[in-house]
Amino acid sequence: AQSVTQLDSHVSVSEGTPVLLRCNYSSSYSPSLFWYVQHPNKGLQLLLKYTSAATLVKGINGFEAEFKKSETSFHLTKPSAHMSDAAEYFCVLSNTGNQFYFGTGTSLTVIP
Amino acid sequence: DTEVTQTPKHLVMGMTNKKSLKCEQHMGHRAMYWYKQKAKKPPELMFVYSYEKLSINESVPSRFSPECPNSSLLNLHLHALQPEDSALYLCASRQGTSGAASTDTQYFGPGTRLTVL
Repeated sequence: AQSVTQLDSHVSVSEGTPVLLRCNYSSSYSPSLFWYVQHPNKGLQLLLKYTSAATLVKGINGFEAEFKKSETSFHLTKPSAHMSDAAEYFCVLSNTGNQFYFGTGTSLTVIP
Repeated sequence: DTEVTQTPKHLVMGMTNKKSLKCEQHMGHRAMYWYKQKAKKPPELMFVYSYEKLSINESVPSRFSPECPNSSLLNLHLHALQPEDSALYLCASRQGTSGAASTDTQYFGPGTRLTVL
């Protein structure tokens, strides 16, 4: 069975401090994993993806994520939060077939 | 170019109206998706088209009728909707042409905000 768990529904950080958004997955096959960001009333924008190459993946806007098979995790990090990072973040899994499995989302608030 | 376009941006309709949502991509992608998203929730899959054929229908009510006239275009026809159908409707596409389908990135359009009165 395939599933994604985002461990925090809300995360609040101060501007300039590190961001950590947690994602755990369950997959019967070797997965591809994605992080998307969604600003209010917008579509989803790809931040980064893991597809079984390098386990540390760098994305846009200073975000990166590390795939840890032993922990079945794919946590998203950024060294220094910016006000523009405030948004909803989704961790997504894909393996075979046409389906993508979404986590429930993490709402990131950045405090000035 | 990784753009998926959707029209209209906003739509308000009564429960007896018939309207259509349109989605277009010119990336040569052969898999296209419709999702429904309620506020503060992840997108919920409605339909998947692969090579212009419906491959997944997630038990969506018949008042939603998808159509894929060609490889670049995806429509969602709406008829006799209910107020609870008000949501953001997202279209997405992915390459969908190789055996390693799982590595494809899914690209999303900006969505259509639908309000049913």
